[in-house]
Amino acid sequence: DTGVSQDPRHKITKRGQNVTFRCDPISEHNRLYWYRQTLGQGPEFLTYFQNEAQLEKSRLLSDRFSAERPKGSFSTLEIQRTEQGDSAMYLCASSLLSLGETQYFGPGTRLLVL
Amino acid sequence: AQTVTQSQPEMSVQEAETVTLSCTYDTSESNYYLFWYKQPPSRQMILVIRQEAYKQQNATENRFSVNFQKAAKSFSLKISDSQLGDTAMYFCACSINNAGNMLTFGGGTRLMVKP
Repeated sequence: DTGVSQDPRHKITKRGQNVTFRCDPISEHNRLYWYRQTLGQGPEFLTYFQNEAQLEKSRLLSDRFSAERPKGSFSTLEIQRTEQGDSAMYLCASSLLSLGETQYFGPGTRLLVL
Repeated sequence: AQTVTQSQPEMSVQEAETVTLSCTYDTSESNYYLFWYKQPPSRQMILVIRQEAYKQQNATENRFSVNFQKAAKSFSLKISDSQLGDTAMYFCACSINNAGNMLTFGGGTRLMVKP
């Protein structure tokens, strides 16, 4: 049983560029979550999917952030026109659809915007 | 909205000793879950222990146990027989059933286990 995987693990980009991150959840998990973690802080929820439906996106930090999960399997998080303040670790987690089910986290993608 | 507070930014403990990490939370919901996650240096976050709010019995996982005080909204983590591998950031988190189970995290406690 493979865990949650994320790609790339590290990304360095210049301000103004677009970046896209990928998350592959545990295969039988139908919920997928995205979080952002800045240095020394706890993760902050961004959005989540149940199968292919995005059920909460009001916490996305701005309209430059968007996420998709087109076939209910992997998900992508895109940041357009990156800013230096976007530098952070972006974490993906997945879980089964069940009350209080444990979320399993991936290794994260560390973004540095120059 | 719920909040989670960890008042100890850093703690240290000698190997084989016991340490307790504090967490308080606030929510108006009655049906929620509480978690402790561990994030070792440069490694991914893993679950340490979870507690269902409707259960009065404190959860235990090997050397890890919690003291869940629902009225006080307190959820502390006790690590017994500390090991060098316990060195990590520890995050307390809360999820609400009717809010997609999204996790709200505290700011974390950095635990150093000393030989």
